[in-house]
Amino acid sequence: DIQLTQSPSFLSASVGDRVTITCRASQGISSYLAWFQQKPGKAPKLLIYAASTLQSGVPSRFSGSGSGTEFTLTISSLQPEDFATYFCQQLNGYPFIFGPGTKVEIK
Amino acid sequence: QVQLVESGGGVVQPGRSLRLSCVASGFRFSSFGMHWVRQAPGKGLEWVAVISYDGRSKYYADSVKGRFTISRDNSKNTLYLQMSSLRGEDTAVYYCAKDADPYIAVSGTDSWGQGTLVTVSS
Repeated sequence: DIQLTQSPSFLSASVGDRVTITCRASQGISSYLAWFQQKPGKAPKLLIYAASTLQSGVPSRFSGSGSGTEFTLTISSLQPEDFATYFCQQLNGYPFIFGPGTKVEIK
Repeated sequence: QVQLVESGGGVVQPGRSLRLSCVASGFRFSSFGMHWVRQAPGKGLEWVAVISYDGRSKYYADSVKGRFTISRDNSKNTLYLQMSSLRGEDTAVYYCAKDADPYIAVSGTDSWGQGTLVTVSS
């Protein structure tokens, strides 16, 4: 099975900061990667699919890039509502493994 | 407005069975693949299973293979997860989620239910 790692696992940032989260796959998955945001007690929310396509309704400060084995999620200017945990998920074949998550907290 | 409502969670003893349901509305249920994803308390997301739009194809995580069965009734707009031989490590919030695209699963899951908590404990 494909495995995903995320880095960092935790980051502390301020409102207005540019934030980048990395997701690495154990083997190439082309662009079959999605990013989710999850807030405490809530269901995950799809942010990006196909590595770089913004889901409808998601603010443009979120962007994704990468292909193959290395991917990034960038938040260009962190807003108060962005403090959450972010997960990547590979969609190249079953099982659709999730990464372990990156928790973004307020500095 | 897409809505997914899970039910059936609760406290169950190890080794017993439980069936979860997810009632869908607001979209053509019979055109979309559906997933179950779980989250143990304080942990990350674990993909559990998927069923194709027509119910013909099913895939499972290794951790539940042979114990869990995903199914659907398109006439009732309902997704199911039959869980048997439950273990403590199956304790989690179970979410149902809808594929973003009809018929294929390459764009992630764009709608999720609120989740139902399953606690396996004696």
